[in-house]
Amino acid sequence: SQELEQSPQSLIVQEGKNLTINCTSSKTLYGLYWYKQKYGEGLIFLMMLQKGGEEKSHEKITAKLDEKKQQSSLHITASQPSHAGIYLCGADVNTGNQFYFGTGTSLTVIP
Amino acid sequence: DTEVTQTPKHLVMGMTNKKSLKCEQHMGHRAMYWYKQKAKKPPELMFVYSYEKLSINESVPSRFSPECPNSSLLNLHLHALQPEDSALYLCASSQANRATDTQYFGPGTRLTVL
Repeated sequence: SQELEQSPQSLIVQEGKNLTINCTSSKTLYGLYWYKQKYGEGLIFLMMLQKGGEEKSHEKITAKLDEKKQQSSLHITASQPSHAGIYLCGADVNTGNQFYFGTGTSLTVIP
Repeated sequence: DTEVTQTPKHLVMGMTNKKSLKCEQHMGHRAMYWYKQKAKKPPELMFVYSYEKLSINESVPSRFSPECPNSSLLNLHLHALQPEDSALYLCASSQANRATDTQYFGPGTRLTVL
């Protein structure tokens, strides 16, 4: 079973459109991270959320953490082709020094 | 400097070869990680080093042998690999091995086993 489930699995949007990616944990979250990956490349750290209700923004990307729902969302406003890639959430869900990644969301932005 | 470097970027090896992957960071981080990522799958944790000691080995076959010679370096020695070991190998580091420590990733080594 997957500790972290992401939805949707893939997303194709027109440039300029807004989109949201969700990450849901089956267990208590202890810090939630969002990463972006270009196919076959390393992971780029986007942001980290620690507290319930926390919201962070970087350029046109906003992430929120709902501790009660054990869920985080990543929202991209006015998407651009440069946003294309695979988005991964990651978290320690057991406080057991193990880091789990979500199932990933592949984003394509059509110019 | 928040950079983790990995060498080589690409590696092609035969099943009888012995090779090594190298990872380096100069952020003063005391935890370093190896992940394996197959195509279209999230990375899977292989090993965790905390203060130069192996703290987690996720049931990885012995043909993968990690080494942490000092706090800045992490190696992954490869021997007698199988074609199914072909993958992107990612290294990461964090301040310590705690749930709230951000892991910074290297660009990865693309390994192909023939």
